[in-house]
Amino acid sequence: NAGVTQTPKFQVLKTGQSMTLQCAQDMNHEYMSWYRQDPGMGLRLIHYSVGAGITDQGEVPNGYNVSRSTTEDFPLRLLSAAPSQTSVYFCASSYQGGAEKLFFGSGTQLSVL
Amino acid sequence: GENVEQHPSTLSVQEGDSAVIKCTYSDSASNYFPWYKQELGKRPQLIIDIRSNVGEKKDQRIAVTLNKTAKHFSLHITETQPEDSAVYFCAARNSGYSTLTFGKGTMLLVSP
Repeated sequence: NAGVTQTPKFQVLKTGQSMTLQCAQDMNHEYMSWYRQDPGMGLRLIHYSVGAGITDQGEVPNGYNVSRSTTEDFPLRLLSAAPSQTSVYFCASSYQGGAEKLFFGSGTQLSVL
Repeated sequence: GENVEQHPSTLSVQEGDSAVIKCTYSDSASNYFPWYKQELGKRPQLIIDIRSNVGEKKDQRIAVTLNKTAKHFSLHITETQPEDSAVYFCAARNSGYSTLTFGKGTMLLVSP
């Protein structure tokens, strides 16, 4: 099992560019989520999904889109990158409902210039 | 929405000492409280969790206590070791039971 796989590990964007952060899990987890981590701010939830075809907003959803067409994949799209989106992004999944016992990916470090 | 406060933001202890990190939450309907450890440059990893129908849970040198009345919970690490040095995050599950709100983290430094 690879667990939760995130790509890319590092990315530099210019303001206004768009991109997709990939997240895939091979554990047949129904629950998947995206967090951003900024210094001194902890982990803040962007979007989450409780199953294929179902997504919902978290605490900081503005500027991001998600979709969940399969159980395995949960990509995060930045529509028009802004410097405020410079952060480390973590994808996390859980077999159990209700965000219990989250497994995190290794993260994507994103810089927007 | 849920608000989780975590203290202290940094904690330095000597090897072998105990360390305590405290969190408070605002939503009395919260019923699940995990703790995650994040080593430098690594992903967060679950170390222990507790549900609201339990007052205390232990796993070797780690324990978590929960006081629902006061809406606070704490992480206790005994006999600390240098490899315990990391950032620790508490979290509380929101009343919709599908999301977590994290505290801002505590950087624990264990000196040999």
